Amino acid sequence: QQQVKQSPQSLIVQKGGISIINCAYENTAFDYFPWYQQFPGKGPALLIAIRPDVSEKKEGRFTISFNKSAKQFSLHIMDSQPGDSATYFCAASRASNYQLIWGAGTKLIIKP
Amino acid sequence: DSGVTQTPKHLITATGQRVTLRCSPRSGDLSVYWYQQSLDQGLQFLIQYYNGEERAKGNILERFSAQQFPDLHSELNLSSLELGDSALYFCASSDREGGELFFGEGSRLTVL
Repeated sequence: QQQVKQSPQSLIVQKGGISIINCAYENTAFDYFPWYQQFPGKGPALLIAIRPDVSEKKEGRFTISFNKSAKQFSLHIMDSQPGDSATYFCAASRASNYQLIWGAGTKLIIKP
Repeated sequence: DSGVTQTPKHLITATGQRVTLRCSPRSGDLSVYWYQQSLDQGLQFLIQYYNGEERAKGNILERFSAQQFPDLHSELNLSSLELGDSALYFCASSDREGGELFFGEGSRLTVL
């Protein structure tokens, strides 16, 4: 019940296309869902996060879509650019303790 | 620059040896987290400290130990090293329990 399942493991998208990464969780007590972006040789950095009181959150070209009933959330990258090539991690936690449960990561490659 | 400093950046050692990894959190952050990331793998949570006290333990081996000092810096001690311990070790900090994690650039450990 503590797992966060992330898919796909890897993704190749053409420049200008839409990149979509999906995550699913089982614990209905989770109420904080961040996405972290990691470039090679660097530590992960928070990209965008959502709480379940909204179904969508947009920041620039990055959007989180959240489906509470399906216990799924996804990251959409619009107009994907080569600079978006990185590994993306989803995570989830409960407000009570904020221990993040991490997805396995998705390696995204944007082809020029 | 996340403001989290990790030393050393690279470390090569032999099996059976002991190493210490050091982390200085962002100024004012009370919470420190340690993560292990093996080649092309996800983030494995090891341990969390808050203001000097151990708060949560993840998949940390008995051969590994950590502490957070009064000045809030933290050290991760890895002993009786095995080949499988070769990995990137990340430290992250946050200003409270939960919320955004700020990661350092990691310490790359190679055990030969």
